[in-house]
Amino acid sequence: NAGVTQTPKFRVLKTGQSMTLLCAQDMNHEYMYWYRQDPGMGLRLIHYSVGEGTTAKGEVPDGYNVSRLKKQNFLLGLESAAPSQTSVYFCASSFLLRDWDTDTQYFGPGTRLTVL
Amino acid sequence: RKEVEQDPGPFNVPEGATVAFNCTYSNSASQSFFWYRQDCRKEPKLLMSVYSSGNEDGRFTAQLNRASQYISLLIRDSKLSDSATYLCVVNRGKLIFGQGTELSVKP
Repeated sequence: NAGVTQTPKFRVLKTGQSMTLLCAQDMNHEYMYWYRQDPGMGLRLIHYSVGEGTTAKGEVPDGYNVSRLKKQNFLLGLESAAPSQTSVYFCASSFLLRDWDTDTQYFGPGTRLTVL
Repeated sequence: RKEVEQDPGPFNVPEGATVAFNCTYSNSASQSFFWYRQDCRKEPKLLMSVYSSGNEDGRFTAQLNRASQYISLLIRDSKLSDSATYLCVVNRGKLIFGQGTELSVKP
């Protein structure tokens, strides 16, 4: 099993450009998440999905969109990149234990994005 | 005030030392608790869950005090390989991460 994979690993964008980050998991997890990590801020949840075809906003959703067309994939889009979106982006996935409670989250290796 | 607060460190300790990390959380509805480890420029990985009765995994001991909304992690006999950032994580339907405590173990 590859676990959680992310592409690309690194990217440099100019302000206003768009891009899509891809997350894939082969563990048949229901839940998937996108986080950003900035120095001194910890991991902050951008968007998440509780199943194929569903998405929900997290703590810092502005400037991002997501889609979950297939259970194993979760895409994060930046329509018009801004320097404030320079960050390390982590995708994660987990099983649903019961109701809203989830099991351990498994993280991908991260995407380092710089917006100039 | 952050919902999950940790001392950012860094904690610089010699090999063999015992080191303790503290974490406080503000939302009393929090259901479960974890410590994750994150190596430099890598993804976070689960270190251990934290149970009310306290739990131990080798050199690592985790404690939870629900009344004080306080979580701790104790590392005994520190190894060079323990150098990393330790993230306190609270589950209240979604995971809330502390900013992490950096540990550097020196020879």
